[in-house]
Amino acid sequence: QKEVEQNSGPLSVPEGAIASLNCTYSDRGSQSFFWYRQYSGKSPELIMSIYSNGDKEDGRFTAQLNKASQYVSLLIRDSQPSDSATYLCACQGWRNTGFQKLVFGTGTRLLVSP
Amino acid sequence: GAVVSQHPSWVICKSGTSVKIECRSLDFQATTMFWYRQFPKKSLMLMATSNEGSKATYEQGVEKDKFLINHASLTLSTLTVTSAHPEDSSFYICSAGDRDQQPQHFGDGTRLSIL
Repeated sequence: QKEVEQNSGPLSVPEGAIASLNCTYSDRGSQSFFWYRQYSGKSPELIMSIYSNGDKEDGRFTAQLNKASQYVSLLIRDSQPSDSATYLCACQGWRNTGFQKLVFGTGTRLLVSP
Repeated sequence: GAVVSQHPSWVICKSGTSVKIECRSLDFQATTMFWYRQFPKKSLMLMATSNEGSKATYEQGVEKDKFLINHASLTLSTLTVTSAHPEDSSFYICSAGDRDQQPQHFGDGTRLSIL
């Protein structure tokens, strides 16, 4: 079982729609969760971070975390063609030695059509 | 916000050459930096964790003598690909975070092509 799982997609949505990206993780010790956006040929860009259960909103983006279900999601409202990219989910655990390395999913490719 | 600078952005060189890539944290001190490699249409693969003032921690399967990491200061880590061969051609990306490495920000990456 992969530590962080994402549907590879592509997820196709029309412009203006809500895109819903999902991620599950296996390590119950994970404390921090991140969503990165990666355009083709570019490095990942941090979009959202979430640390506690519930929703966190930032502009058109909403991250949702459910630690009991080991599930984290990213909603993109009013999707734009410029949102077309690969979205990487990453989890980070904690041990008594400190925060652990990020564990990335394989990413979900999002295509927003005009 | 936090910014991580990576240089060079693009390298083409002959087989057998050693290539050095720099990663700098511009507005914060990074006790830990991370080096990743990404092949086309594949996910990020962590190569090693670079710790300021101490030896890097390499992931399983990554040759430490092939990929030399130096973290001489709180703002600079370098990755040297020694005696590079075509199979080392890839996209190399560093990342760093400030307090407790949260969250991590990525450099722009270095595209390495070995002929």
